Amino acid sequence: SAVISQKPSRDICQRGTSLTIQCQVDSQVTMMFWYRQQPGQSLTLIATANQGSEATYESGFVIDKFPISRPNLTFSTLTVSNMSPEDSSIYLCSVVRTSGFTDTQYFGPGTRLTVL
Amino acid sequence: AQSVTQPDIHITVSEGASLELRCNYSYGATPYLFWYVQSPGQGLQLLLKYFSGDTLVQGIKGFEAEFKRSQSSFNLRKPSVHWSDAAEYFCAVGRAQGGSEKLVFGKGTKLTVNP
Repeated sequence: SAVISQKPSRDICQRGTSLTIQCQVDSQVTMMFWYRQQPGQSLTLIATANQGSEATYESGFVIDKFPISRPNLTFSTLTVSNMSPEDSSIYLCSVVRTSGFTDTQYFGPGTRLTVL
Repeated sequence: AQSVTQPDIHITVSEGASLELRCNYSYGATPYLFWYVQSPGQGLQLLLKYFSGDTLVQGIKGFEAEFKRSQSSFNLRKPSVHWSDAAEYFCAVGRAQGGSEKLVFGKGTKLTVNP
């Protein structure tokens, strides 16, 4: 498995401000992702955080709104910019670990964001 | 496009009863399938996964799931539910060659366990 921590665990923010969420993994991983889980909804992939290059964003998500950094193989940040109440969600990072011939995705505990 | 359907939004069972959570997927090739559980205020924990081979997969906490290609299903089962199983359960399909990359999730099934 993987030990993944996220900071902060929760926050309440004002409209128009930005929040940076940190994700730390206990050992080096190649693949790291950021997901959003809106209230009562499932998880939606925001982007793949690539080490040493720009993140790869999914349809509907843009770098200006969700800038991502990946300075090394154990750490990534996601910033939610110019927030509005619609950004209230749980944001989760995940990593892929390979065991034998199979890959498994493990998730962090999530950051619960409320935007007023 | 890949998709996952969990037909039951909310299921209530009595403690000790059996459980089956349904999952249907749409995928153009051999799918890689997963069940995750999310307890209140927690992240997602992997229950079990299917990549290939035996279609009956055993997971943690006494859960199992059966892959049925003909029905495009991957239903989760447990013979006797415990109160601590109350949580939300998500089925997911892997949509990249790597198998576990870029998961597509169902909308989840919330499980309530009555004493």
